[in-house]
Amino acid sequence: GQQLNQSPQSMFIQEGEDVSMNCTSSSIFNTWLWYKQEPGEGPVLLIALYKAGELTSNGRLTAQFGITRKDSFLNISASIPSDVGIYFCAGQDRSGGSNYKLTFGKGTLLTVNP
Amino acid sequence: AAGVIQSPRHLIKEKRETATLKCYPIPRHDTVYWYQQGPGQDPQFLISFYEKMQSDKGSIPDRFSAQQFSDYHSELNMSSLELGDSALYFCASSFRSRGAYTGELFFGEGSRLTVL
Repeated sequence: GQQLNQSPQSMFIQEGEDVSMNCTSSSIFNTWLWYKQEPGEGPVLLIALYKAGELTSNGRLTAQFGITRKDSFLNISASIPSDVGIYFCAGQDRSGGSNYKLTFGKGTLLTVNP
Repeated sequence: AAGVIQSPRHLIKEKRETATLKCYPIPRHDTVYWYQQGPGQDPQFLISFYEKMQSDKGSIPDRFSAQQFSDYHSELNMSSLELGDSALYFCASSFRSRGAYTGELFFGEGSRLTVL
């Protein structure tokens, strides 16, 4: 099956620093999504990307859909303590019999020191 | 705005018992997905339904079954529970019909199942 490699696995940063994380895949995705999950809660959608090369922002978050359609990155600028959580990339393949399900990366645990 | 509603939020069962989780999708959403997330793991796809028909199947054990009802809510039935079934179970919904599909899945807050 499809596999996503997400890195880094964890990050410890100081408040105000910028953060970057990325996902790569062995196969092509039609859509890339980035979610944030806090302990005991469900993943919350941050950004969705639909076209190769697309660069999309949501406040301090910026994400890009790689040209090859096999990768995506998420940047968080000027981090704040409430950015703490696990960030998951997810790829969606809408071709063939995949039926729109998401395949998740392993997650990046972000810790922000005030 | 209304979100995906899951119940119960917490459930404790003994081995070999059965459990049923319920999911109420966002109004007008026609597709429901079930995911299982073990401690420290990423969510793993179990099964999905589109317009009340099974759409796709992932790593769902044979002991589990699910369905989507006429009001679009879905239930995940788990039988002969094992210790390894302890996990967070998430339901997500999306709107697919009439070419308006955007690919976005919205997740509920999850049901935490503990098997003792």
